[in-house]
Amino acid sequence: DGGITQSPKYLFRKEGQNVTLSCEQNLNHDAMYWYRQDPGQGLRLIYYSQIVNDFQKGDIAEGYSVSREKKESFPLTVTSAQKNPTAFYLCASSMGLAAYEQYFGPGTRLTVT
Amino acid sequence: AQTVTQSQPEMSVQEAETVTLSCTYDTSESDYYLFWYKQPPSRQMILVIRQEAYKQQNATENRFSVNFQKAAKSFSLKISDSQLGDAAMYFCALTGANSKLTFGKGITLSVRP
Repeated sequence: DGGITQSPKYLFRKEGQNVTLSCEQNLNHDAMYWYRQDPGQGLRLIYYSQIVNDFQKGDIAEGYSVSREKKESFPLTVTSAQKNPTAFYLCASSMGLAAYEQYFGPGTRLTVT
Repeated sequence: AQTVTQSQPEMSVQEAETVTLSCTYDTSESDYYLFWYKQPPSRQMILVIRQEAYKQQNATENRFSVNFQKAAKSFSLKISDSQLGDAAMYFCALTGANSKLTFGKGITLSVRP
């Protein structure tokens, strides 16, 4: 089955620790995205990547980092510099930017205490 | 910059009735695309319907249809014959030909049996 996987579904970390969220897709999509979802805020774009070894900052990139070493994988690291990391994180992919439908993973709920 | 506004945070509909969810947007691009995404309680985002701005005909997908008013920058979603499974959060989203997807804050739809 083609799709996007995110693991784990729930993640707990102590304040001050970096944490990496996994995102893998087998849809052969070029573009991948990371969004953050907070209550009442909708989805906000953190980072996106159009091709391997290239990525761009979204609207709220501060305190986050990404890599795109393989087409299938786009991990997101939430660093200790992110002031409010507790949120629901969604990964998505699409054939390209703009007109193409984005396919979403099931999400990871990160709780930092 | 592009913006998407969903001014109603919540709506309710009786099962089998019709409901319309509102969305307005703003963009400086002449070539753009509009989407409605559904997020059920599982939090898995699913594309409901898509509209190309250059098309005058309103998109339709089974019980879902849009009312696209380009001059008014309005993009509402009509759900006919509402079903219990339609209960979810619905997000309106916009992308230009060379830009990333911008989401509204979403509207929570409940369906009364």
